[in-house]
Amino acid sequence: AQTVTQSQPEMSVQEAETVTLSCTYDTSESDYYLFWYKQPPSRQMILVIRQEAYKQQNATENRFSVNFQKAAKSFSLKISDSQLGDAAMYFCAYRSADGNDMRFGAGTRLTVKP
Amino acid sequence: DSGVTQTPKHLITATGQRVTLRCSPRSGDLSVYWYQQSLDQGLQFLIQYYNGEERAKGNILERFSAQQFPDLHSELNLSSLELGDSALYFCASSPRGVSIETQYFGPGTRLLVL
Repeated sequence: AQTVTQSQPEMSVQEAETVTLSCTYDTSESDYYLFWYKQPPSRQMILVIRQEAYKQQNATENRFSVNFQKAAKSFSLKISDSQLGDAAMYFCAYRSADGNDMRFGAGTRLTVKP
Repeated sequence: DSGVTQTPKHLITATGQRVTLRCSPRSGDLSVYWYQQSLDQGLQFLIQYYNGEERAKGNILERFSAQQFPDLHSELNLSSLELGDSALYFCASSPRGVSIETQYFGPGTRLLVL
């Protein structure tokens, strides 16, 4: 069974600083997709960024970027210039290419200090 | 606002009862997903429908069932409810239901089983 592990239950960052959230996953597949979702206090799930496993280039969305290490099965999220609105739970997710398997990590609670 | 609606927002019921949660996808989206988020945990994928047909199945209990209707709205039926079924239930939708697509999440239905 595929698993997704987020080893940091909580992280804290100073406003305007950079923080990296870790995620590792287990799979025997060669083609799959990885996602980071943000869940603010409103509980709404919002997609932050996605990575296709067949792409070597790391995905970037404005202040959010990933470090995708396929051989190590690692998928970390870097948030640059952290803002107060970035405070939320962040979930790493894996989805198989055929869509039959989708798993989420337990989440990392990010606090942004002013 | 993601464009996905879920009703009701809150539901309180007793053990042994049956409830139905409703989801209307974004206009034009053919695929609907259901997730369960227990207290302070990540999401568990339950089931996916595409244009009325079951597309993928996750960790859905036999006491739970779902369907997608011709107008594309979906219902999740939970029966013989137990205390452990108390959770936030999310519905998400996407255009074609393929793995790469962004899933747009609804606001969730909070279920409390007493």
